[in-house]
Amino acid sequence: AQTVTQSQPEMSVQEAETVTLSCTYDTSESDYYLFWYKQPPSRQMILVIRQEAYKQQNATENRFSVNFQKAAKSFSLKISDSQLGDAAMYFCACVYSGGGADGLTFGKGTHLIIQP
Amino acid sequence: DVKVTQSSRYLVKRTGEKVFLECVQDMDHENMFWYRQDPGLGLRLIYFSYDVKMKEKGDIPEGYSVSREKKERFSLILESASTNQTSMYLCASRPIGEGWEQYFGPGTRLTVT
Repeated sequence: AQTVTQSQPEMSVQEAETVTLSCTYDTSESDYYLFWYKQPPSRQMILVIRQEAYKQQNATENRFSVNFQKAAKSFSLKISDSQLGDAAMYFCACVYSGGGADGLTFGKGTHLIIQP
Repeated sequence: DVKVTQSSRYLVKRTGEKVFLECVQDMDHENMFWYRQDPGLGLRLIYFSYDVKMKEKGDIPEGYSVSREKKERFSLILESASTNQTSMYLCASRPIGEGWEQYFGPGTRLTVT
């Protein structure tokens, strides 16, 4: 079983600035994936970025990047050049990839506010 | 694009009613999931299915059951709805062996009065 902790219920950032959302996790497995999902207000949950645990290189998707510290079980999300459209709930999630169809284990979420 | 649809965006039911939440995906995904989302609690897994007629309990299955008679459809059933089942319900699907990303539906906000 995995646990995922997001210690920041809410974060606020000025438009065009950089913000980092924190996530720590705990798992006894060696095969797992980590994700950041974004849920805009009243809209569908979408994948922001994915990290495979066996890869040391941090994943990057345009303005979004992660700082994956495997030994510390930390998986933070950095959003550069924040835009108004980045305002959303952000969820960190983990899944054991060595088995079958395990579901995602989510953190409680961070509400990101973008100040214009 | 992967599309996951849910039968209702908003639903209001009375205590004791039997409630069906339907989810359909159009990408021939093997795995399907039901989550419940509550403020301050994140998403919690209720049930999942890895094949037609197969189901597995998640972290909070009490008070729920599921049905998967066809590959594309996964139903969540509240046998006797209670007020503590008022929540947002999210369905998701995932293909086998492709990066483990799950694709989510828009959610059904269920209110039980």
